[in-house]
Amino acid sequence: GQNIDQPTEMTATEGAIVQINCTYQTSGFNGLFWYQQHAGEAPTFLSYNVLDGLEEKGRFSSFLSRSKGYSYLLLKELQMKDSASYLCAINNAGNMLTFGGGTRLMVKP
Amino acid sequence: GAVVSQHPSRVICKSGTSVKIECRSLDFQATTMFWYRQFPKQSLMLMATSNEGSKATYEQGVEKDKFLINHASLTLSTLTVTSAHPEDSSFYICSVLGIGNNEQFFGPGTRLTVL
Repeated sequence: GQNIDQPTEMTATEGAIVQINCTYQTSGFNGLFWYQQHAGEAPTFLSYNVLDGLEEKGRFSSFLSRSKGYSYLLLKELQMKDSASYLCAINNAGNMLTFGGGTRLMVKP
Repeated sequence: GAVVSQHPSRVICKSGTSVKIECRSLDFQATTMFWYRQFPKQSLMLMATSNEGSKATYEQGVEKDKFLINHASLTLSTLTVTSAHPEDSSFYICSVLGIGNNEQFFGPGTRLTVL
C-alpha cells in the first residue's frame, strides 16, 4: 500500500522560515514532487527530488532521504503570497502521482 | 513545460444530466494524460490514466461507466460525467505527462456543481 503524511495546517510569520515535512511509505518510488496550490487553482510545480539531498531553488528548497522515507520543503523569507496549500506527491511506477493530503500554510503579517 | 488548458472552467448542471470536460495540451503531444478529482479541503485523487488511442485505466473505486474518458488525439482528452449527481460536485483537474523527469503539467481545473 501507499501512505503519504503531511501536517494538515501550519502558520508562520511574514519574513520567517517554515519547514513542511512529508513522510511516505510506497511500493514504488520514482521521485518526489512538491507542488503549491492556491485555492481554486491547479497545482504548480515547485521541486523534484529523486536522489538524496537538498535541492535549492531561490527561496524554496526541498530535501529527500529515501532510506527514511522523508522529505521536507523549506520556504525562506516568507511572503503573504506564500499562503497556499503545499502538496507532497510520490511518482511511483507508471509515472502516476500519489498525493499527500496537503499542508495549508497561512502566512501572517 | 507543457501548457495545458481545460474547458469549461466552471459548469453548473442539473442532477441526471451529463457534462463533458475537455483537457488540451497546447504545445506538447501528450501520449498520457491524467484525470484527478479534488473535493474541498482535500488533496488530489487520481481517477484515471488516459492513454492516446487506447482505453483509459481507472483507479479502484472509480466507475468507468460513469466517468467516460476519451483520448482520441495527442492533444485532447475528454472526461464525461454521466448522470451527474450532487456528490459528483468537485474540482476536476487534468495533467499531461512530460518527458525527462516524469513531471506532470496541470490544467487550470474545472469546477463542477451539480444541483
